[in-house]
Amino acid sequence: AQTVTQSQPEMSVQEAETVTLSCTYDTSESNYYLFWYKQPPSRQMILVIRQEAYKQQNATENRFSVNFQKAAKSFSLKISDSQLGDTAMYFCAFLSQGGSEKLVFGKGTKLTVNP
Amino acid sequence: KAGVTQTPRYLIKTRGQQVTLSCSPISGHRSVSWYQQTPGQGLQFLFEYFSETQRNKGNFPGRFSGRQFSNSRSEMNVSTLELGDSALYLCASSLAGLVGYNEQFFGPGTRLTVL
Repeated sequence: AQTVTQSQPEMSVQEAETVTLSCTYDTSESNYYLFWYKQPPSRQMILVIRQEAYKQQNATENRFSVNFQKAAKSFSLKISDSQLGDTAMYFCAFLSQGGSEKLVFGKGTKLTVNP
Repeated sequence: KAGVTQTPRYLIKTRGQQVTLSCSPISGHRSVSWYQQTPGQGLQFLFEYFSETQRNKGNFPGRFSGRQFSNSRSEMNVSTLELGDSALYLCASSLAGLVGYNEQFFGPGTRLTVL
């Protein structure tokens, strides 16, 4: 069974600065997807960024980028130029490839962006 | 396009009662997954329905059940409620059934409180 670990329960960053959230996972599969989801206070979960395991190139989406280390089973999220609206819970998630929509989530990191 | 909707948004029940939660996926989406979110356990996968069939099931007792209708709307039922069932219940829908990755879109959740 897959497991996802986020070792930072809470983090804070000053507006306009850069912050990195950590995630490690365990799986015996070679093909899978990894995601970072954002859940703002009292708002819906939204997808921030995804990474296909077969791609060596790290995914980027505007101010969000990942550092995917497949051999180390590490998948960190870097947020550049942090904004107040980035304040949220961030969840790292794993999805096996093929035949299932079952996401395995980490426990989450509560990120606070301070003005 | 309307997003994923869940009803009701808030629910208060007492121990021993049963409850039914509803999820309407994005139009055209055929897969609906359910997750339980609690502060202690985080986000845990309950089950996934695709084309009216349960395709995957998490590690929850038989008190938790679900179904999907021909229009892809899904319901989940919890019988004989326990205090520990208090949680935010999220559903997510995706196109699924296609080759490759299909993004899952989350609803706002139903907040269930068991007294």
